[in-house]
Amino acid sequence: GENVEQHPSTLSVQEGDSAVIKCTYSDSASNYFPWYKQELGKRPQLIIDIRSNVGEKKDQRIAVTLNKTAKHFSLHITETQPEDSAVYFCAEGGNEKLTFGTGTRLTIIP
Amino acid sequence: EPEVTQTPSHQVTQMGQEVILRCVPISNHLYFYWYRQILGQKVEFLVSFYNNEISEKSEIFDDQFSVERPDGSNFTLKIRSTKLEDSAMYFCASSRADTQYFGPGTRLTVL
Repeated sequence: GENVEQHPSTLSVQEGDSAVIKCTYSDSASNYFPWYKQELGKRPQLIIDIRSNVGEKKDQRIAVTLNKTAKHFSLHITETQPEDSAVYFCAEGGNEKLTFGTGTRLTIIP
Repeated sequence: EPEVTQTPSHQVTQMGQEVILRCVPISNHLYFYWYRQILGQKVEFLVSFYNNEISEKSEIFDDQFSVERPDGSNFTLKIRSTKLEDSAMYFCASSRADTQYFGPGTRLTVL
């Protein structure tokens, strides 16, 4: 079945520095890769997504890159701020379902 | 901006009891989903629903679980006989295509 591995499980970054979270997936037919941010006790919130026809997508301080050959994709957050502290989940899938990674707890150190 | 809503926010039940979790998806969405998240763990897919029928389900979604869209707005998850291990946060989601939007969740506690 589908499997998504996510690293690191925890990440501490000084405010203003960049954070990078990486995921690998197993299903070569996958073509949709969203990233969700989850604050404590809250819903997963979509922050950015990418489809397999592009290699990179950027939205202000957040960017995602996709390497379909290697079956991995990454989330990049630049100029980190305290409000970026949360758990981040990658996922892969489509209309039928999403398979989530195990999550990265990002802590921004003021 | 429209959002997925869920009720109740918290549900406490005794083992063996039936529970129904309710969701109102975003109104023009076509696909509906249930996921669960055990405390501190990842989000796990349970079931997807399209065109008034289940389109995919996971191994977790056994005979104790069922879903229904009883009218044009609600989408429900029923657990017939709850077990201790069913304690989790249950999230409903909806989409027009592949982009899924999640509700705030129902925290289910089975005693």
